[in-house]
Amino acid sequence: KQEVTQIPAALSVPEGENLVLNCSFTDSAIYNLQWFRQDPGKGLTSLLLIQSSQREQTSGRLNASLDKSSGRSTLYIAASQPGDSATYLCAVRNNAGNMLTFGGGTRLMVKP
Amino acid sequence: NAGVTQTPKFQVLKTGQSMTLQCAQDMNHEYMSWYRQDPGMGLRLIHYSVGAGITDQGEVPNGYNVSRSTTEDFPLRLLSAAPSQTSVYFCASTRTGGRKLFFGSGTQLSVL
Repeated sequence: KQEVTQIPAALSVPEGENLVLNCSFTDSAIYNLQWFRQDPGKGLTSLLLIQSSQREQTSGRLNASLDKSSGRSTLYIAASQPGDSATYLCAVRNNAGNMLTFGGGTRLMVKP
Repeated sequence: NAGVTQTPKFQVLKTGQSMTLQCAQDMNHEYMSWYRQDPGMGLRLIHYSVGAGITDQGEVPNGYNVSRSTTEDFPLRLLSAAPSQTSVYFCASTRTGGRKLFFGSGTQLSVL
């Protein structure tokens, strides 16, 4: 059974800092991996999707990398802003179906 | 540009009551799903559907029923609510083929 872990569970950084969020998974035979953002009381918004054949994806100040062999993905946020404060979740899809296994999330606070 | 719409946003039930959580999407997505989000447990898949007339169980299906009579709608039914079903429920949809998942804003359910 696939298990997804995100460490740390919470992170507080000053504005302007570059930061890395970590996601690890136990079964490396994945189809793809997604990073989501969740604001308090809201649903999840998909940020980046990396296919198993890809090494990274970029969107603005966000860059997600994937190392399937080691079972790891990272989400890099450049020049963090207070508006980046949210919970970030990663989710793994193990086949061409649509069932995702989620990590527990990292709660990020960016202080002005 | 509605996306995935969930109703109600909040609901309080007494043990043993029944109710239906509504989910509708206007993106012509084949795949729809229901997740519950609990502190320390992350998001867990309850039921999903890959098209009208087709449903299947996820990780935690007990106590919940679903049906998919149209492409747009995927209601989740609690037949006899229990306190263990207190949670935040999210509906999500996507095109088949493992693409980005779109989430509704959630329903916060309390069962007393």
